[in-house]
Amino acid sequence: EAQVTQNPRYLITVTGKKLTVTCSQNMNHEYMSWYRQDPGLGLRQIYYSMNVEVTDKGDVPEGYKVSRKEKRNFPLILESPSPNQTSLYFCASSFEGLSNQPQHFGDGTRLSIL
Amino acid sequence: GESVGLHLPTLSVQEGDNSIINCAYSNSASDYFIWYKQESGKGPQFIIDIRSNMDKRQGQRVTVLLNKTVKHLSLQIAATQPGDSAVYFCAQEGGYNKLIFGAGTRLAVHP
Repeated sequence: EAQVTQNPRYLITVTGKKLTVTCSQNMNHEYMSWYRQDPGLGLRQIYYSMNVEVTDKGDVPEGYKVSRKEKRNFPLILESPSPNQTSLYFCASSFEGLSNQPQHFGDGTRLSIL
Repeated sequence: GESVGLHLPTLSVQEGDNSIINCAYSNSASDYFIWYKQESGKGPQFIIDIRSNMDKRQGQRVTVLLNKTVKHLSLQIAATQPGDSAVYFCAQEGGYNKLIFGAGTRLAVHP
């Protein structure tokens, strides 16, 4: 089954404790992206990757890192999480960039930073 | 800055009626627009898309209309069913391979 898989689905942690949210897709997609979803703000893009070893900042990259060493994986790293990063996070992928390709989303990771 | 907004945060309809969800966008240079459906506890699910060289596109029970003159996008759902209850997001391609999402509209379908 074609899918985008995120782990963990839920995480409660404390300020400053490094964490990684993994994202994997099995569709051989070149483009991958991370979003955060907050009430009343919709989805905002954090980082995206056009292909292996190519990453770029989205609209809200501060406090986040990503890497794209393999085509299928695009982990999101919070080196020193803070409470304002409490949010619902989505990973997405598409075959190419966004000009004419809808993105496929994972089911989300809910992070709570205390 | 660039934004995609929605006119109504919540839309309540009777089962069987047609639903219309509206969206205003600000980036007139955008070439691609998408509607997503998000059910509770799940990620956004692609419904239908449209490119700027079109003004209408139909899918199964759904139609997207694009009015570039007034920068307006709408999603029409025919014969709305309880399974259509969800939050609907419009999004536009915002340059540099970014998608700009609206805040979402909740569709509530009543029997």
